[in-house]
Amino acid sequence: GENVEQHPSTLSVQEGDSAVIKCTYSDSASNYFPWYKQELGKGPQLIIDIRSNVGEKKDQRIAVTLNKTAKHFSLHITETQPEDSAVYFCAASNRPDSSYKLIFGSGTRLLVRP
Amino acid sequence: GAVVSQHPSRVICKSGTSVKIECRSLDFQATTMFWYRQFPKQSLMLMATSNEGSKATYEQGVEKDKFLINHASLTLSTLTVTSAHPEDSSFYICSARDPGGRRNTEAFFGQGTRLTVV
Repeated sequence: GENVEQHPSTLSVQEGDSAVIKCTYSDSASNYFPWYKQELGKGPQLIIDIRSNVGEKKDQRIAVTLNKTAKHFSLHITETQPEDSAVYFCAASNRPDSSYKLIFGSGTRLLVRP
Repeated sequence: GAVVSQHPSRVICKSGTSVKIECRSLDFQATTMFWYRQFPKQSLMLMATSNEGSKATYEQGVEKDKFLINHASLTLSTLTVTSAHPEDSSFYICSARDPGGRRNTEAFFGQGTRLTVV
């Protein structure tokens, strides 16, 4: 089955700097890669996603890149703000064979220092 | 966007009792819902896939008699933790997909249920 690895486990940056979180996946059939932000005591919220037919996607300060050959994808947050502090999870899905179920990475705790 | 509501947000129960957690899709019909378990400072682990009108599909290592799932309608799935023990204490999260929506591959998550078994 699919296995998703995520690095780093913790990341501390200065406000205004960029943050990069990386994930690798094992199943070459995976074709949907969402990123979630989770605040303490809450459920995950989708922040951006990318499909396997696209190499890069950007939404304001957030961007995701996908390298299908190497089977890795990354989240880039520019001009970080204190409110970006949270735990970020990457995930992979092989749709529709697995009914869209998501396999999550281990998470990255991002701290943005004011 | 689509909304998934989970209830209760927190529950404390005694060992040996059963606890039911509800997951509702508020503005769409979900034929499939997913139940996850999350330990402190850890990732979300998929427990089972809840299918409307049929049996749930459990992930390897998850006891189906321990974690009963019922998906009786297109907007409601329930997870019942039976004969709860302290080791069942965890954060339980459900998610659902809106197959008829514009973003029909996006999974919407509930706010989670913090279960504490004493």
